[in-house]
Formats: sequence, structure tokens, C-alpha cells
Amino acid sequence: GAVVSQHPSWVICKSGTSVKIECRSLDFQATTMFWYRQFPKKSLMLMATSNEGSKATYEQGVEKDKFLINHASLTLSTLTVTSAHPEDSSFYICSARDRQGWEKLFFGSGTQLSVL
Amino acid sequence: DAKTTQPPSMDCAEGRAANLPCNHSTISGNEYVYWYRQIHSQGPQYIIHGLKNNETNEMASLIITEDRKSSTLILPHATLRDTAVYYCIVRGQGGSEKLVFGKGTKLTVNP
Repeated sequence: GAVVSQHPSWVICKSGTSVKIECRSLDFQATTMFWYRQFPKKSLMLMATSNEGSKATYEQGVEKDKFLINHASLTLSTLTVTSAHPEDSSFYICSARDRQGWEKLFFGSGTQLSVL
Repeated sequence: DAKTTQPPSMDCAEGRAANLPCNHSTISGNEYVYWYRQIHSQGPQYIIHGLKNNETNEMASLIITEDRKSSTLILPHATLRDTAVYYCIVRGQGGSEKLVFGKGTKLTVNP
């Protein structure tokens, strides 16, 4: 299947700093990407939907100024956690849809963020 | 909110078939049933999806009832590596349609 590369796989940062997570579709063009977060032993929670070249659509309760999403090309979307705090520590996962077919969504391997 | 109901956990013996049920009684006519699984600390892996006909691929089979209110994912010969959380998801048609995850079923394959 299609490959979605997510980087970094884990990151530790100090409280107050910003962290950028990259999500790349390696062998297909992704018109739409989705960002999720997952707390331990919980299910994935959708944070936002990003479409290439336009502003992201955030789910209710997700702060758009806190979680900046950029989808500047058909193969790259980034999530920046600004002024991170310990409560932002979580597993962040991206997902991408092939522009040739909407039916399948492929996921990255996730990024474990730990804010000290 | 997730539109599906799954048992929280199931056990299966290695080499036997694993049958994972899912209820989606409010599914609408243009919504698909998707199955993903997530092995600990990894991103979800696509397994299979279907609209109303039964589907089979190299990983699994998907059986959807005639009224489409429930479905069953079948792993024909479970291995220890199939231990994971399995998510049944109902999703509408279209590229921007989201995958909304419920709590899933934790499948444990025992030796």
C-alpha cells in the first residue's frame, strides 16, 4: 500500500517551546491530510483536516492557534505545536488520502511528544 | 461521535479464525464500513472496507449483513502478530470525509 512517512517518531521538548511534526506521502499525491492525537489507552481523536493550498479545518475544541497546520504541497503537511505544555504530551498521527482515490486513507507511524 | 459499537476485547487461539463483530445500526446508504487495526505505539493500518457486498483481500474478509446494520471482520488464521486494537469505522463517500475512531476491540491472539 501507499506509504506515509511521519517525522520525528519521538521528540522531547521543554515547556514553552514549539515543535514541528512532518507528514509526507512518499509515493502518491495527498490532496487531503488528517491529523489525530491519541492519549495512552485511548482511541484516536481527530484534530483537523487539511487540504492542499487552503486553511485547515479544525474539530471542535481544538485550538487552531495552538496547533498550526500547513499543507503547502501535495506531499507534505506539517503540524506545529506552539508553546507546548506538559498537557500537550501525546501521540500525534497523520493520515493522507491519495488524490487518485478517496476510499483509502493511509497513516503515518506517529510521533510521540513529551513536554517536560 | 463514532457510529459503531464493538466489544472491548476478544481472545483467539493462534491458527484459528478470529471473528470480530461490529454494530452500525444507523449507517446510511452511502456510507462505507472500514476496518483498521493499530498495533501498540504505531499508526493504524488499513485492513479492508466495503459498502454492501462481502469483501476479501490478502489480510481478511469482511461480511456485511443484508440490512447493513452490522458486519464481521474475519482473520482466517490468526497469528500472534495479529494482536492489536481493531477499529470498525463508518465513513461517508468523498475525499474529505473523515475517519472517526471509536474505542475498538482489543484482540489478543494466544499461543
